[in-house]
Amino acid sequence: EPEVTQTPSHQVTQMGQEVILRCVPISNHLYFYWYRQILGQKVEFLVSFYNNEISEKSEIFDDQFSVERPDGSNFTLKIRSTKLEDSAMYFCASSEAPGVNTEAFFGQGTRLTVV
Amino acid sequence: GQNIDQPTEMTATEGAIVQINCTYQTSGFNGLFWYQQHAGEAPTFLSYNVLDGLEEKGRFSSFLSRSKGYSYLLLKELQMKDSASYLCAVSASGGSYIPTFGRGTSLIVHP
Repeated sequence: EPEVTQTPSHQVTQMGQEVILRCVPISNHLYFYWYRQILGQKVEFLVSFYNNEISEKSEIFDDQFSVERPDGSNFTLKIRSTKLEDSAMYFCASSEAPGVNTEAFFGQGTRLTVV
Repeated sequence: GQNIDQPTEMTATEGAIVQINCTYQTSGFNGLFWYQQHAGEAPTFLSYNVLDGLEEKGRFSSFLSRSKGYSYLLLKELQMKDSASYLCAVSASGGSYIPTFGRGTSLIVHP
């Protein structure tokens, strides 16, 4: 069964450092998302990406964050200068297309710890 | 904006039936998702309701009332492995189909 894959599964970084979280969406999917989940809290939407550009972003997705689709398979989330409060599980998801009856499939997540 | 409400925690007995409610308020509505999330894992899709009514899928059923802003997830013949968080998520109309999640209901199934 096709799946969304994320690397690394765990990342520890020092405050102020840049991190890049990587995702390979399901191959025929066109719509990509990043979510985060701080420990014990709800899953929060960060950004969606369609047709090689950001289609929507939340208030959380400030100038410290950026996304890129560097090639035909990878989808990355970059945090330029990490803060302690960026520590969370980051989930990548993809769906076939924007529209009804299109479920989002989630990757297993990257646990980011900022120290 | 969107506001999604679910109970924080529920407990039930193995073999029983449990109903997890979700109420929502949104400026536009496209559909409602239910996801299951085991601790430390990714959310996995359970159901998506667009129209009013009940949709059954094995042991799980999901109901939607658009006029009342209300949905429930019904789990039958509970098993220990059903212990997880159940996330209600709403996608809004107006071009945005992005699921916005509620805080989730932590279900504990005991013998």
